[in-house]
Formats: sequence, C-alpha cells, structure tokens
Amino acid sequence: GAGVSQSPSNKVTEKGKDVELRCDPISGHTALYWYRQSLGQGLEFLIYFQGNSAPDKSGLPSDRFSAERTGGSVSTLTIQRTQQEDSAVYLCASSFRRRGGEQYFGPGTRLTVT
Amino acid sequence: GQQLNQSPQSMFIQEGEDVSMNCTSSSIFNTWLWYKQDPGEGPVLLIALYKAGELTSNGRLTAQFGITRKDSFLNISASIPSDVGIYFCAGHRSGNTGKLIFGQGTTLQVKP
Repeated sequence: GAGVSQSPSNKVTEKGKDVELRCDPISGHTALYWYRQSLGQGLEFLIYFQGNSAPDKSGLPSDRFSAERTGGSVSTLTIQRTQQEDSAVYLCASSFRRRGGEQYFGPGTRLTVT
Repeated sequence: GQQLNQSPQSMFIQEGEDVSMNCTSSSIFNTWLWYKQDPGEGPVLLIALYKAGELTSNGRLTAQFGITRKDSFLNISASIPSDVGIYFCAGHRSGNTGKLIFGQGTTLQVKP
C-alpha cells in the first residue's frame, strides 16, 4: 500500500513569510508525528497526534510553529514568520497506536529560508 | 532535548566486512529501533526490539536490546555497497507520548 506522503518536497521561502507543510499518513494509522532534521543531525521531535486526544506539542520550538490534523488523517505543519534557523528537513511519520514505536516516515520536506 | 549516544559517528569499510554500531542512554526505554536513511529520503525502519535481552535478525542485520534497557547494538554482516547510508538508533517509551528519541547517526561508507 501507499506510504507516508509529504508535500512539497522542497520549499524555498523568504525570511518572515509563513509556510505550510502537508503530510498524508498511511491509511489506518491513528498516530501521526512531526520531526525536524537539521543538516547532519538526528531527528528532533516536534508534535504528536493520537486519534481524538489532545496533541503532544512539547517539542515545538516556539509559538511560531503550529500543527493541526483534520479528520484524523491529513496533517499540516505551519511555521509563521520564518527565520533562517528554521531551515531543515521536516519529516512526518505515522504508526498504529499499539505499535507506537514502529513509526513509518515520509520522504520529508526540505525547507530553506533565505 | 534528550538524545541517545550513538557510536561510531562514521565508518569506512571494505565490502564484505562486518559492521557494528551501538547506542546508549542514561534512561530506560521500552522499545529500541534501528532506522536507515538514504540521501534525500526519510528513515526506513530496519528492526524493532521490544524486550530486554531480545536478539532479532533481519537478513544480514542483527540487533539486540540491552539487558539494562539502556542500550542497543546493530550488526551488519558481509557488507555490500548498498548498505551505504546513515543508520539511526531510536528509543521509545510507552505511555501517552509517542515520540522517538534519536541518536546522532552513524554514517557508513562501503568501499567495493
């Protein structure tokens, strides 16, 4: 079946502009995660959605970052007033609730803020 | 934020050699996972481990969940050129939060 998909694959934006990144999880997966990967680094957790529960936003680096998940499926990560330090690859993952550790990743969106 | 200590940072080996990498943490995890990431792609799950002491194989890959639940290792036997990439360990704790804690990665290069 189809894996996790993300769009756009690449995004170049000017400092101060807002951006929206989209994630389509694997069908049937109830949990959805966003991570950020800076150049040459490991992945940094941003936010976690599980069913209708309140999301775990503990990894969001500032209030310029927000995310929503509509209808328990597609998710959008929004970064307002982008800064150069926001440049990174943003990765989305999904999983079945009972196997929360087994997360399956999309290809990522490479964000460059100029 | 918390990260796992993964070593080595990089390895350059000859095709056919065996490879070993490991991950340690100051905290206990309920699940250890190993991922591989190719350039421009997202990480791909290789092996998931759920019990302390568990030893699991996936083809030429073997991984173990440490008895103390604070460490894990991954071995690759008889390496081939397509093993090239970045390998990440990750730890997961059961409960309300679903986040994975990742190591910094081991970059593997294989010389034909």
